Amino acid sequence: NAGVTQTPKFRVLKTGQSMTLLCAQDMNHEYMYWYRQDPGMGLRLIHYSVGEGTTAKGEVPDGYNVSRLKKQNFLLGLESAAPSQTSVYFCASSYSGANTEAFFGQGTRLTVV
Amino acid sequence: GENVEQHPSTLSVQEGDSAVIKCTYSDSASNYFPWYKQELGKGPQLIIDIRSNVGEKKDQRIAVTLNKTAKHFSLHITETQPEDSAVYFCAASKGGSYIPTFGRGTSLIVHP
Repeated sequence: NAGVTQTPKFRVLKTGQSMTLLCAQDMNHEYMYWYRQDPGMGLRLIHYSVGEGTTAKGEVPDGYNVSRLKKQNFLLGLESAAPSQTSVYFCASSYSGANTEAFFGQGTRLTVV
Repeated sequence: GENVEQHPSTLSVQEGDSAVIKCTYSDSASNYFPWYKQELGKGPQLIIDIRSNVGEKKDQRIAVTLNKTAKHFSLHITETQPEDSAVYFCAASKGGSYIPTFGRGTSLIVHP
């Protein structure tokens, strides 16, 4: 009963490098989200998905891309990392949108130098 | 869209005291109000939620109250313990919405 699993937990990137963060959930949830958390800024939504094969932009989508090829996985990509993308990234999933409990992963701490 | 304001941003209490965190929301159609606790180094986790058809809900030392008229809801923690120290987030949403709107969080510090 893993819930929401994020990979990796920590990563240091050089400016301009690319990487993909993986989120996997085993609860058969339709909705998945990617947030970033910065000091004093709360949780800001990057992208979200309402089902397999669909994605949509959130509040701060610039510099990120996502894909949801399988229902259980939601990938977040950084094509050319910038220091402004240094943050803690959280993936979340829910059964039926915003009116049900969101389950969060443990987070990925990303540093771009 | 929905806007959620959360206060205070930091709350410091002595062990055994009560703590209250307040949130206001803007969309009168919102009907689901969860509270999440985020411990250091972990992701947020739901601790209690309330729907608009009830005014109060309790679970041991925590309770949430909802005032639909004033459009605000509050988290109450009684007999605080050091393990209650965490960041707490409120959120609001309405039926059919895809995205919950979160408050900015409250850092609660409980001093032994």
